[in-house]
Amino acid sequence: GAGVSQTPSNKVTEKGKYVELRCDPISGHTALYWYRQSLGQGPEFLIYFQGTGAADDSGLPNDRFFAVRPEGSVSTLKIQRTERGDSAVYLCASSSGQGPDTQYFGPGTRLTVL
Amino acid sequence: SQQGEEDPQALSIQEGENATMNCSYKTSINNLQWYRQNSGRGLVHLILIRSNEREKHSGRLRVTLDTSKKSSSLLITASRAADTASYFCATDAQGNNRLAFGKGNQVVVIP
Repeated sequence: GAGVSQTPSNKVTEKGKYVELRCDPISGHTALYWYRQSLGQGPEFLIYFQGTGAADDSGLPNDRFFAVRPEGSVSTLKIQRTERGDSAVYLCASSSGQGPDTQYFGPGTRLTVL
Repeated sequence: SQQGEEDPQALSIQEGENATMNCSYKTSINNLQWYRQNSGRGLVHLILIRSNEREKHSGRLRVTLDTSKKSSSLLITASRAADTASYFCATDAQGNNRLAFGKGNQVVVIP
């Protein structure tokens, strides 16, 4: 079956611009997660959805970052007024939402802010 | 903040040798997971060990968990060139679905 997919795979933008990153989770997975990974570091948690609602958004660094999952499947991470420090690989993961839960990751979107 | 914290070392070993890496964490956990990452992109889930388990095997992988020491180890036996990657441990604190990752261990297997 299909895994988690993310688009685009690479995104180059200019400082101050708005970007949207998309994640398609594994079909039937109710839980969806966004992480951000800087060079040489492990992924850092951003936000977690259970169904359509954000169950935990405490990892979002500031109010320029926002994510939605309107139908409980596809999610979009939105970044306003991008800054050079936002450059990173943005990873999405999904899980079944039940029990001790394995999170399955997508290939990531590499965001470069010039 | 990140809980999982691997020993920050890069391992370089010959094909066929075993590779061991360690991870420590700070707070109580529900489970601990190990992931592999190639070329800085998507993470591949390797193994999940619950807080009430002490050891788990999956193919050439062996994971141990010592909750009294708040540490885990990942052993890869009979390494192959294809095992060259970064390996991360990630903890899932109890009652919390957010994974806290360490900085990763870079393993290079020389053919």
